[in-house]
Amino acid sequence: QSALTQPPSASGSLGQSVTISCTGTSSDVGGYHYVSWYQQHPGKAPKLMIYEVNKRPSGVPDRFSGSKSGDTASLTVSGLQAEDEADYYCNSYAGSNVVFGGGTKLTVL
Amino acid sequence: QVQLVQSGAEVKKPGSSVKVSCKASGGTFSSYAITWVRQAPGQGLEWMGGIIPIFGVANYAQKFQGRVTITADKSTSTAYMELTSLRTDDTAVFYCARGLYEATVTTLPFDCWGQGTLVTVSS
Repeated sequence: QSALTQPPSASGSLGQSVTISCTGTSSDVGGYHYVSWYQQHPGKAPKLMIYEVNKRPSGVPDRFSGSKSGDTASLTVSGLQAEDEADYYCNSYAGSNVVFGGGTKLTVL
Repeated sequence: QVQLVQSGAEVKKPGSSVKVSCKASGGTFSSYAITWVRQAPGQGLEWMGGIIPIFGVANYAQKFQGRVTITADKSTSTAYMELTSLRTDDTAVFYCARGLYEATVTTLPFDCWGQGTLVTVSS
């Protein structure tokens, strides 16, 4: 099972918006509504930010939103804040398997 | 609020095995999937496999098939991941994570994570 494709890096200025893509195939992202996004700060465990494409767990700011079109899912962070600087990973159910994206390092300028 | 607490860091020789534990507290254990994720230094997250303790059958990533065994002890609310035939490129932080929903075959999403266990493989 191949990893999902994410851009290695993304950046945006404080207060701006940035969108990170996650491209798979019809066997994973395109075939299921089970796409999640995780935020990971250096030396910390990942944290669930978005699940089932566009749902936010309790406590996650509504600045974080998710969407999907075909085989590509997206995470949008609006009103960028300094603490949003982190690595972001998508993952998807792939029919008895789970596959992660390679990760995107988000830099807040 | 469930918490997952993992066992401590390990240093292993190539060719040996390691068994990492993940103890759940503060919530129901048996009906929620526990998944193991590997993260090599400076690299991304990699799904290794998972288990729903109440069913007792584990599912593994093809890459680790034959080298990894995931088990769960319902009596102690503890999950285990054993990796054999260790190589130097197995050096990584291993995380356990719990699924959000009870007894779902997808095991996703992973809403609660352990603190991670660093396994260093070196001769």
